[in-house]
Amino acid sequence: SQQGEEDPQALSIQEGENATMNCSYKTSINNLQWYRQNSGRGLVHLILIRSNEREKHSGRLRVTLDTSKKSSSLLITASRAADTASYFCAIMNSGYSTLTFGKGTMLLVSP
Amino acid sequence: DADVTQTPRNRITKTGKRIMLECSQTKGHDRMYWYRQDPGLGLQLIYYSFDVKDINKGEISDGYSVSRQAQAKFSLSLESAIPNQTALYFCAISRTGKSGELFFGEGSRLTVL
Repeated sequence: SQQGEEDPQALSIQEGENATMNCSYKTSINNLQWYRQNSGRGLVHLILIRSNEREKHSGRLRVTLDTSKKSSSLLITASRAADTASYFCAIMNSGYSTLTFGKGTMLLVSP
Repeated sequence: DADVTQTPRNRITKTGKRIMLECSQTKGHDRMYWYRQDPGLGLQLIYYSFDVKDINKGEISDGYSVSRQAQAKFSLSLESAIPNQTALYFCAISRTGKSGELFFGEGSRLTVL
């Protein structure tokens, strides 16, 4: 299936540092989305980037997309302890039917 | 009230029992989904429905069935639960033509003994 693969699986940083997570995929996409999940809770949509876009910003979030390398990155700047969560990339395929999720990156931000 | 409500939030049952997980939404979105989450495996799509009369299998539909009773209600059934169906189940909704952004419920944690 067209599953995104996040890297790293886990990331531990200090408050104030930047956190970068990567997502790779295999075939053509319509868009790529990032979601956040606090422990055991429902996922929350963070940001969407379309296949014809290269970069998007939302607050402290910056997402890039490189369709030639079939990869995306999520940057969280000036991390806070409250950013501690799992982050998932999700692929919307070119047929525009359903989202396929990766396995996620667990981010721990220490005070 | 939450946009997407799942019931029950937690359920412990025994092997062979029939279980139904229910999902209702108040956003009026036409598309509804059931996902399963296992530790370290991300989310896997079980079934999805783009309209009241539309039901589609996802990646892992074996052992599950669904019913779209109304635009706002989508239930997931396990006809005969087995231990490897122990997982966290999520209902999600989206709106046609809005790039597939999903809104999730808070999850139903199912344990099959």
